[in-house]
Amino acid sequence: DQQVKQNSPSLSVQEGRISILNCDYTNSMFDYFLWYKKYPAEGPTFLISISSIKDKNEDGRFTVFLNKSAKHLSLHIVPSQPGDSAVYFCAASGRDSWGKLQFGAGTQVVVTP
Amino acid sequence: ETGVTQSPTHLIKTRGQQVTLRCSSQSGHNTVSWYQQALGQGPQFIFQYYREEENGRGNFPPRFSGLQFPNYSSELNVNALELDDSALYLCASSLQVSGTDTQYFGPGTRLTVL
Repeated sequence: DQQVKQNSPSLSVQEGRISILNCDYTNSMFDYFLWYKKYPAEGPTFLISISSIKDKNEDGRFTVFLNKSAKHLSLHIVPSQPGDSAVYFCAASGRDSWGKLQFGAGTQVVVTP
Repeated sequence: ETGVTQSPTHLIKTRGQQVTLRCSSQSGHNTVSWYQQALGQGPQFIFQYYREEENGRGNFPPRFSGLQFPNYSSELNVNALELDDSALYLCASSLQVSGTDTQYFGPGTRLTVL
């Protein structure tokens, strides 16, 4: 069963504009959420995380928002840059599965000049 | 600080063979997790090792097995390879086993089963 879902397989955005990536989850035991970025032929690179006790975490151009009641999180990238073109994965872990990350299927982001 | 490394980079095997993939964890990390990423999908958790003991397993058959060594490096072994085992195998290390420790990934091993 897919407990973490990224329903948009792709996103195209102009350089300088905002990229918004969405992620939904079904397991109410999830309490830690992460975003990873992946370039071809490389492993996923950690971007930003958020604990369920917060609803927002910011790191430079990246901000993650968590809506626990809706079981939804989003990643905002402002401003988008050509180097942001990659596949972005949402992942979650919970009290019932420490250390076992559940990943979404990923969203391919293309930043155009 | 050395990151997570994996070997080999690519591997081609035939159905029924056995394969061993290797991972060196990031310096100071004592927990290693293995994931399988099929084409077009997100990584799927195989199992995790903490201080040389298996510490959780995903929905993979027993022919997927692993080891962790005293220096915290790890191996993933797959017996009786099937065509569906073709995937990118990712190793990730973390400082300790907990729900909030970030896992850092290696570049992966691309396994092709013919």
